[in-house]
Amino acid sequence: GQNIDQPTEMTATEGAIVQINCTYQTSGFNGLFWYQQHAGEAPTFLSYNVLDGLEEKGRFSSFLSRSKGYSYLLLKELQMKDSASYLCAACDSNYQLIWGAGTKLIIKP
Amino acid sequence: ETGVTQTPRHLVMGMTNKKSLKCEQHLGHNAMYWYKQSAKKPLELMFVYSLEERVENNSVPSRFSPECPNSSHLFLHLHTLQPEDSALYLCASSQETGTPTDTQYFGPGTRLTVL
Repeated sequence: GQNIDQPTEMTATEGAIVQINCTYQTSGFNGLFWYQQHAGEAPTFLSYNVLDGLEEKGRFSSFLSRSKGYSYLLLKELQMKDSASYLCAACDSNYQLIWGAGTKLIIKP
Repeated sequence: ETGVTQTPRHLVMGMTNKKSLKCEQHLGHNAMYWYKQSAKKPLELMFVYSLEERVENNSVPSRFSPECPNSSHLFLHLHTLQPEDSALYLCASSQETGTPTDTQYFGPGTRLTVL
């Protein structure tokens, strides 16, 4: 079956760095997405990785290892506004997104 | 503001009611989606439309009935729902379907409570 695993909740301190991991098992693979969702708001696109390696976009970076079925989202210089849920989604061979349950990130001062 | 709007934002209905959720996208996209989001569960894809034609229906109960009159509007008609249908219903759009790089843009959702 197809499955996405990510931690349910993480806590970090303002100004610090946090890494949110995601492992996936899909029928075929056409890339991995990360979305951010603030409470009561729409999920918004953060990143897309299809090749192995690290992609940096400001304070956020996303990493992919296709051989390990593994990705992570790295958030640097954490700010209070980064408190949100982070959703991992893998695109399968039918170009359908398989979603994880999301990781709720709590930032403390 | 993602360019996708949903109304109403909150809805409370009894099991015998009939209601409709509305989604509108202002992005010129050709594909639209309905998702169900329950607490601590992955997003569940319900329906996909491409150029007003339904291309995906993931075994959704018939008490949920989608309608796509044009590429900018998507409705979800609800009737005789069950309490377990209470969830956040998200609408999304993308330029096309069937391409991996097509980012989906989400609306803010309708929080549905079935009593």
